[in-house]
Amino acid sequence: LAKTTQPISMDSYEGQEVNITCSHNNIATNDYITWYQQFPSQGPRFIIQGYKTKVTNEVASLFIPADRKSSTLSLPRVSLSDTAVYYCLVGRRGGGNKLTFGTGTQLKVEL
Amino acid sequence: NAGVTQTPKFQVLKTGQSMTLQCAQDMNHNSMYWYRQDPGMGLRLIYYSASEGTTDKGEVPNGYNVSRLNKREFSLRLESAAPSQTSVYFCASSEGQDGQPQHFGDGTRLSIL
Repeated sequence: LAKTTQPISMDSYEGQEVNITCSHNNIATNDYITWYQQFPSQGPRFIIQGYKTKVTNEVASLFIPADRKSSTLSLPRVSLSDTAVYYCLVGRRGGGNKLTFGTGTQLKVEL
Repeated sequence: NAGVTQTPKFQVLKTGQSMTLQCAQDMNHNSMYWYRQDPGMGLRLIYYSASEGTTDKGEVPNGYNVSRLNKREFSLRLESAAPSQTSVYFCASSEGQDGQPQHFGDGTRLSIL
């Protein structure tokens, strides 16, 4: 069961790039890395998923180094609406009952 | 397209009462999940279902039962509610059986007095 560690909180300003790192030292060969965003009083929302190197979609990029012991979620040019809690989840395909979220990173974006 | 729908949105129970939380998804997803989230904490998996008729325990299954009678619905039952079960409960689903949820409902806020 891959345990994840994230910073508790981060602050940024509108228009800046934000990078949130998740440590997962005991990641297994078959594990994937998934990031979610959660606003107050809502369920988490899937952002991006990756296995290695770099993945990019319309909202974020995910950087995974060769050893895969960490991953970095990159949010380009954040706005006030990106203020939320961000979670990384690490687990293998098919391991549905073995995946647990960490405590997440509270991102606060200010003007 | 509703996605994942949870009912009720709010509920207050007395200790010892029973209740079933309902969850339905309209995306024809195979996997469904129940999580609980306590204040200031991440989500903890209660139960997981990879397909209709199958369920597996997650991290915190004690005090709960689940039922996946069809592909669309996954219910969570508290047989004898306890104050420690006061929490926000989220249901989620995913298309494959890879165990990583894609879509979440907006939660059921449950208080047990």
